[in-house]
Amino acid sequence: GENVEQHPSTLSVQEGDSAVIKCTYSDSASNYFPWYKQELGKRPQLIIDIRSNVGEKKDQRIAVTLNKTAKHFSLHITETQPEDSAVYFCAASKNTDKLIFGTGTRLQVFP
Amino acid sequence: NAGVTQTPKFQVLKTGQSMTLQCAQDMNHNSMYWYRQDPGMGLRLIYYSASEGTTDKGEVPNGYNVSRLNKREFSLRLESAAPSQTSVYFCASSEFGQGGEQYFGPGTRLTVT
Repeated sequence: GENVEQHPSTLSVQEGDSAVIKCTYSDSASNYFPWYKQELGKRPQLIIDIRSNVGEKKDQRIAVTLNKTAKHFSLHITETQPEDSAVYFCAASKNTDKLIFGTGTRLQVFP
Repeated sequence: NAGVTQTPKFQVLKTGQSMTLQCAQDMNHNSMYWYRQDPGMGLRLIYYSASEGTTDKGEVPNGYNVSRLNKREFSLRLESAAPSQTSVYFCASSEFGQGGEQYFGPGTRLTVT
């Protein structure tokens, strides 16, 4: 079955710097790749997603890139702010709603 | 709209006890899911229901049963709780289709002693 690996497990950046989180997946048939943000004690919430027919997608300060050949995708956050501090999860699925999640990255943004 | 709701918020069980976690959504979604979240393990799918009347196993189904009571409600039952089932449990729902946003409930923190 599908396996999703996520790195790094923790990431500390200075406010205003950029943050990059990377994920790799094993099943080349996967075609949907969402990213979820989970603040401390809260529920996960979708922040951006990408489908396999697109190489990059942006939404204000966040962007996701997808390399189907290498089977990896990345989350990029520019101009980080303290409120970006949270755990971020990548996930992958193929033609179904069943998501396989990565193990998460704890991002800390220091003022 | 309340979105996805879960009860209870917290629960402590003794080994061997049983309980049912309740989940309901008011977004008319076809698909519903149960996940468990453990430190360093991410979110792991226990069971899911693609539509009313169907259920399928996820990554970690052992020790759990589910019921899709109707389109709104999807319950998770622990028949004989074990300490390894100590976790935070999240229910989620989505519109059925080629992938799409999953909306999560607030979670249930379960401790089995």
